[in-house]
Amino acid sequence: KNEVEQSPQNLTAQEGEFITINCSYSVGISALHWLQQHPGGGIVSLFMLSSGKKKHGRLIATINIQEKHSSLHITASHPRDSAVYICAVRPPEARYNTDKLIFGTGTRLQVFP
Amino acid sequence: KAGVTQTPRYLIKTRGQQVTLSCSPISGHRSVSWYQQTPGQGLQFLFEYFSETQRNKGNFPGRFSGRQFSNSRSEMNVSTLELGDSALYLCASSLGVVPDTQYFGPGTRLTVL
Repeated sequence: KNEVEQSPQNLTAQEGEFITINCSYSVGISALHWLQQHPGGGIVSLFMLSSGKKKHGRLIATINIQEKHSSLHITASHPRDSAVYICAVRPPEARYNTDKLIFGTGTRLQVFP
Repeated sequence: KAGVTQTPRYLIKTRGQQVTLSCSPISGHRSVSWYQQTPGQGLQFLFEYFSETQRNKGNFPGRFSGRQFSNSRSEMNVSTLELGDSALYLCASSLGVVPDTQYFGPGTRLTVL
């Protein structure tokens, strides 16, 4: 079983829809990252969270440490939001030597006009 | 500031050869991390260098190695290439101190024939 699970694996939406991507993890963490990967491979770091909620433009990320769960929300989705969204967790220092970041398998989002 | 650059962007090698990939971090960043992305395994952490020292290393065989120079530029080397080494290799730079937001390069796509 993967230590970081994302759902859904694939998501299609119409422009303007509200989108939620979920990430659940089974290890203790010191931080959680949300990353965006466009076709071609380049990765952009969207958020780094250790508690609560962060907002940047139309993107909102939340984390519940007790439930080991994080969500990424996209409001008023747009075709340019089409990408793979990856959740990654930073484990505690004891594992940091071998697993600086543990990645989920990603959620492929397609937004149609 | 210029972003993280990686060279070359694409590379084709044959089994048994070796390859060296290069990463130039954002100016002022002292940490460079390397990641491998394959369709089967997703993103996996390779190693991190900080101030010319390997700070941590993922679970990869010894054929994968790296180094960092005094100007923080980093190289990774893969010797005795195998077909399974075909992947997108990403490097990410950061200041190297917590919190550790990473900035990813565009990646080098390696194909082993």
